[in-house]
This record gives sequence, structure tokens and C-alpha cells, in this order.
Amino acid sequence: AQSVTQLGSHVSVSEGALVLLRCNYSSSVPPYLFWYVQYPNQGLQLLLKYTTGATLVKGINGFEAEFKKSETSFHLTKPSAHMSDAAEYFCAVSDQWNYQLIWGAGTKLIIKP
Amino acid sequence: KAGVTQTPRYLIKTRGQQVTLSCSPISGHRSVSWYQQTPGQGLQFLFEYFSETQRNKGNFPGRFSGRQFSNSRSEMNVSTLELGDSALYLCASSFADRGVPYEQYFGPGTRLTVT
Repeated sequence: AQSVTQLGSHVSVSEGALVLLRCNYSSSVPPYLFWYVQYPNQGLQLLLKYTTGATLVKGINGFEAEFKKSETSFHLTKPSAHMSDAAEYFCAVSDQWNYQLIWGAGTKLIIKP
Repeated sequence: KAGVTQTPRYLIKTRGQQVTLSCSPISGHRSVSWYQQTPGQGLQFLFEYFSETQRNKGNFPGRFSGRQFSNSRSEMNVSTLELGDSALYLCASSFADRGVPYEQYFGPGTRLTVT
């Protein structure tokens, strides 16, 4: 069965600092991997996705993630945090056989001025 | 292209009542999923409908039900409301064609408060 683990329910960084949100998955078949962002009182918005091909994926708002098969990871990074990045971030996995996303518990990103 | 819409956005109900929430997916999307989101439990999958049939189901009691219409619009119903049903209910739609990565597009949610 597939599963997703997000390390850290809360991550706090200073404005301008590197953002690193961790996601590890388990899947017995090649995975599709997603990061979603949720701003307060809103639905979830797709940030970026990995399906096949290039393992470094760029998304919206300057975020990127790298698929590392050997480490079963798909960590989300941004070189320089902005106050507007404060939100909750969710990692999710699916595959070509399952019409269902398996979700991580989410990580709240806090930006300190 | 219009996004996923959910109505109503906010709802206040009393324990024991029932409620119906509505979701209109993105045009062309045949899959609609429902989620419950609470601070304590996070994002919990309720069920998924595809072409008017329930295809996947989460671990929720039978008080939670749903349906999908021929135009892919979906409703979910919660009967005999309990205080613990207070949550943000999210609807997501997907193209869900075979071989296409299953990415979902979310509506803004319906905030249900049970008093």
C-alpha cells in the first residue's frame, strides 16, 4: 500500500531563508507525486507534480521539488522565503493504477519577519 | 475554464439535523472526490464518484453519503449531524482518464459548523 510521511507538522523559517519541506513516500510501483498548498480558509492548490521524466520539477511561486527514487523522497524547496508563502503544504502520491491520492498529514510553514 | 465550485460556502446546523453540500466540477472532469478537513484529523478522504458510481470510499460511517449526477455534479449528505462533524468539506475534481496522472483540482470548501 502507498503511504506518505511529511516530517514536521510545523516548520518555521525567517523571511529570505531557504525553505525545505520534507516528504517521503512508499509505493511498490512508479509513483506520481504532488505538492499542494492551502492558504487559510481556502481549498488546496496544485503547486507542482512529478509524473515521469526530469526528476527536478519546478512549480509556481518559485518552488521546486526533486524526485529521488533511491531515497523515496520528494522534498519541496524554495531558495528564499517570502511572507506570502505562509500556508499549509501537503504532499500526495498516486500511481497509474489508482484513481486516488494518498495524502501526507501536512506541514504548516511559518515565516518569521 | 471555470474552477470547481462548492455551495454553500458556510453553513451552521444543529445536532441531529441533516445537511446537503453541492459541488460542480471543472467542465470535462468526470471524477469528484470529497474530503473532510479538521485541525485534529487533517485531510480525510470520504469518497470518490466517477460517472455516477462510487469508485472509492474512505472510512466514514454510513451517515455520510454522496451521489453524482449525469452532468458530473456531485452532492454529499450528512444525516444526524454530530458536533464532531464540524469541519471544512472539500470537493476535488479530476479528469481521471486511464494512464493520465490523477491530479485533483479543489474547490474553496464548505465550512460546516454544528452547534
